[in-house]
Amino acid sequence: GAVVSQHPSWVICKSGTSVKIECRSLDFQATTMFWYRQFPKQSLMLMATSNEGSKATYEQGVEKDKFLINHASLTLSTLTVTSAHPEDSSFYICSASGTPGSYNEQFFGPGTRLTVL
Amino acid sequence: EDQVTQSPEALRLQEGESSSLNCSYTVSGLRGLFWYRQDPGKGPEFLFTLYSAGEEKEKERLKATLTKKESFLHITAPKPEDSATYLCAATQGGSEKLVFGKGTKLTVNP
Repeated sequence: GAVVSQHPSWVICKSGTSVKIECRSLDFQATTMFWYRQFPKQSLMLMATSNEGSKATYEQGVEKDKFLINHASLTLSTLTVTSAHPEDSSFYICSASGTPGSYNEQFFGPGTRLTVL
Repeated sequence: EDQVTQSPEALRLQEGESSSLNCSYTVSGLRGLFWYRQDPGKGPEFLFTLYSAGEEKEKERLKATLTKKESFLHITAPKPEDSATYLCAATQGGSEKLVFGKGTKLTVNP
């Protein structure tokens, strides 16, 4: 149980284009989903927290107009990187929590490698 | 400011050589201390959650312990497949946010 998937696993795009990343909880209802960014040899940095049906809460320094988050259902959240630039190239990882009986444990997706040319 | 510090940054062991990884935290009102394993190019894999000082949890060759200031991940007789980066994270009361340490990269040589 507690499986989280992400799609795509990797994406290459041109500078100025937008990229959408999907995060799905496959076998449980995720009341909260989180989006992280990880640069090489760095730890995970939380970008935003989203609850189903409400606006995401962004961490300080994360541009909400650039990183659009939608959490339309209890099993799906999306992150759209708008007008991507090379400095947005990173490993994006989502996590989900909400498994009954495992209070606030987060289960992570496999990550999406974004490369902006 | 809430902080999680892991040591060492990197650790090389021979197969069968037991050791421990350290995670010290300064989080007010600790709600949970989490250990994850991360393989290169993949998302973190959940290992353990510890909630109170004195708690211990085990899974195969791994055992996690918690005191009021730090947590240890003990690895007994490691195998090459245990090679990975081990991440420690903490949450505080009233928040679901995970504050991550920078991780310990473990390499187990055959």
